Amino acid sequence: QKEVEQNSGPLSVPEGAIASLNCTYSDRGSQSFFWYRQYSGKSPELIMSIYSNGDKEDGRFTAQLNKASQYVSLLIRDSQPSDSATYLCAVRSFQKLVFGTGTRLLVSP
Amino acid sequence: GAGVSQSPSNKVTEKGKDVELRCDPISGHTALYWYRQSLGQGLEFLIYFQGNSAPDKSGLPSDRFSAERTGGSVSTLTIQRTQQEDSAVYLCASSTGGSYGQYFGPGTRLTVT
Repeated sequence: QKEVEQNSGPLSVPEGAIASLNCTYSDRGSQSFFWYRQYSGKSPELIMSIYSNGDKEDGRFTAQLNKASQYVSLLIRDSQPSDSATYLCAVRSFQKLVFGTGTRLLVSP
Repeated sequence: GAGVSQSPSNKVTEKGKDVELRCDPISGHTALYWYRQSLGQGLEFLIYFQGNSAPDKSGLPSDRFSAERTGGSVSTLTIQRTQQEDSAVYLCASSTGGSYGQYFGPGTRLTVT
């Protein structure tokens, strides 16, 4: 079992829709969770961090964490074509981040 | 403020040669990380530096790989006797501490011919 699992996609949504990206992790003791956006040919960009159960909102982005289910999600409201990228879920394990392989999101105009 | 910088941005080398990759973290960030990302693959942790503590080298794939961090700031990743499987994008990241998000540099694309 991989430590951090994501559906590779692509996830296709029309412009203006809500995109829902999901991630599960295996280390029940994990306390810090992050979402990164990576455009093709670029390095990952930190967009959200979440440490407590529940929802955390930042602009059009909402991160959701359920530690009992070992599940993290990212919602993108009013999706834009510029949101088309690969979204990486990362979970802190000791002092390093363990990354999922990412979900590719395609937002069509 | 200035982000994480890395140099060179691209490096092409012949198999068997040594290479050095440089990372300059965000000013004030005490933690520095090296990862690599192969084509179509996820990010693979290599090594972690935190302040003056001994580095966590648990991700280094072989003894051909080494890294140092001088003065708690700039870091150099060295790959000796490069092999074709070393071809990847090498990414450096820094953070204010182990619990916080990491900020990545633009990466160095290494191609071993």
